[in-house]
Amino acid sequence: QITLKESGPTLVKPTQTLTLTCSFSGFSISSEGEAVGWIRQPPGKALEWLALIFWDDDRRYTPSLKSRLTITKDTSKNQVVLTMTNVDPVDTATYYCAHLETGGWKRFDYWGQGTLVTVSS
Amino acid sequence: NFILTQPHSVSESPGKTVTISCTRTSGSIASNYVQWYQQRPGSSPTIMIYEDNQRPSGVPDRFSGSIDSSSNSASLTISGLKTEDEADYYCQSYDSSHHWVFGGGTKRTAL
Repeated sequence: QITLKESGPTLVKPTQTLTLTCSFSGFSISSEGEAVGWIRQPPGKALEWLALIFWDDDRRYTPSLKSRLTITKDTSKNQVVLTMTNVDPVDTATYYCAHLETGGWKRFDYWGQGTLVTVSS
Repeated sequence: NFILTQPHSVSESPGKTVTISCTRTSGSIASNYVQWYQQRPGSSPTIMIYEDNQRPSGVPDRFSGSIDSSSNSASLTISGLKTEDEADYYCQSYDSSHHWVFGGGTKRTAL
């Protein structure tokens, strides 16, 4: 049974750096074919894919935010971390981490509950 | 990259059938599989259809997916509408560079 859970600050000031952690169980991010991604959803708006990291440390980012995002993994802790620099109020959103279907990499088959991050001074 | 365009909302009465479209703006819809997610208020998305028309175990067969190359779009059809189907629905695909794209979402409401 795969489960994921996001954690991080609920309130961040503009220009600061946001760090979110995804803690998961039921799989190992070091196993071939595994990957975890981050998706966000501003209040009342659509889902937006942000970043993803593969078991072999290959990393992918949405082009519009690539310069501000860093995704890393800690295999020993079963965690994936997303860092977003220079946040702005428009980055206010619920941030989800999700497991990408093993090997096929087409769909996000397991999602965390999400964590709401508000960017405000 | 490409965009997936969905209608903002669809409304239909319980018991009826509704179809939600997802149009790809560039490149062929058939190039990469389309997935559909349901998101109920206050909940995380859950996958309803994958690889254009496949249902995960546990998803009722009232939900079906298809693609139409002539309109370059994918569709999610929900038949025998139930109150519990009131939710937001998102299509999703990906490209050859391992970038994932979500549609703008469609709110399904009951008449």
